[in-house]
Amino acid sequence: DSGVTQTPKHLITATGQRVTLRCSPRSGDLSVYWYQQSLDQGLQFLIQYYNGEERAKGNILERFSAQQFPDLHSELNLSSLELGDSALYFCASSGTAGTGKIYFGEGSWLTVV
Amino acid sequence: QQQVKQSPQSLIVQKGGISIINCAYENTAFDYFPWYQQFPGKGPALLIAIRPDVSEKKEGRFTISFNKSAKQFSLHIMDSQPGDSATYFCAASKNSGTYKYIFGTGTRLKVLA
Repeated sequence: DSGVTQTPKHLITATGQRVTLRCSPRSGDLSVYWYQQSLDQGLQFLIQYYNGEERAKGNILERFSAQQFPDLHSELNLSSLELGDSALYFCASSGTAGTGKIYFGEGSWLTVV
Repeated sequence: QQQVKQSPQSLIVQKGGISIINCAYENTAFDYFPWYQQFPGKGPALLIAIRPDVSEKKEGRFTISFNKSAKQFSLHIMDSQPGDSATYFCAASKNSGTYKYIFGTGTRLKVLA
């Protein structure tokens, strides 16, 4: 168990809808990362937050947004969903800067129908 | 220049054998190279990592070999066991205060009993 908690584990929704994925990082970790894993694109970095502020951005679509709250949990909002957004969305967290270690949750499996 | 190329895509090894997975990168600014292990239905878990100031790092049955001039690194799993059957991902990142990993495409390892 990595200590990173993600909800929901599975989600099925229709095209055009909006969903929110939630992540609680490991206790004490200030950084939260979101990754998308799909069959055709592999594991892709989406966005990172550090102590409530956006730190880095990757291949995140404009239809997607994220935030990190004062209690350090994070939410990934996916809107105007398309079939191609079906994927496993991972949250990861890290603590002390410089170690390079990030710890992944078990993912939220999103299916868009 | 941001890609990390991983091979082979899949690998079958007999129990007790050596599993070797290779990765190559182009961006010389990368300075942290982790390997992650992922079991079905689980998030990636950090296995072992290396920085480019060393050519080899060993942790138990897992060894990373790093060739800075060739921009290649590899994972060796000695005495491979059926429990090692999983998907392995190499990754690379720049230590810029964020661990925005670029992942390889993954290698599905099956160790036969």
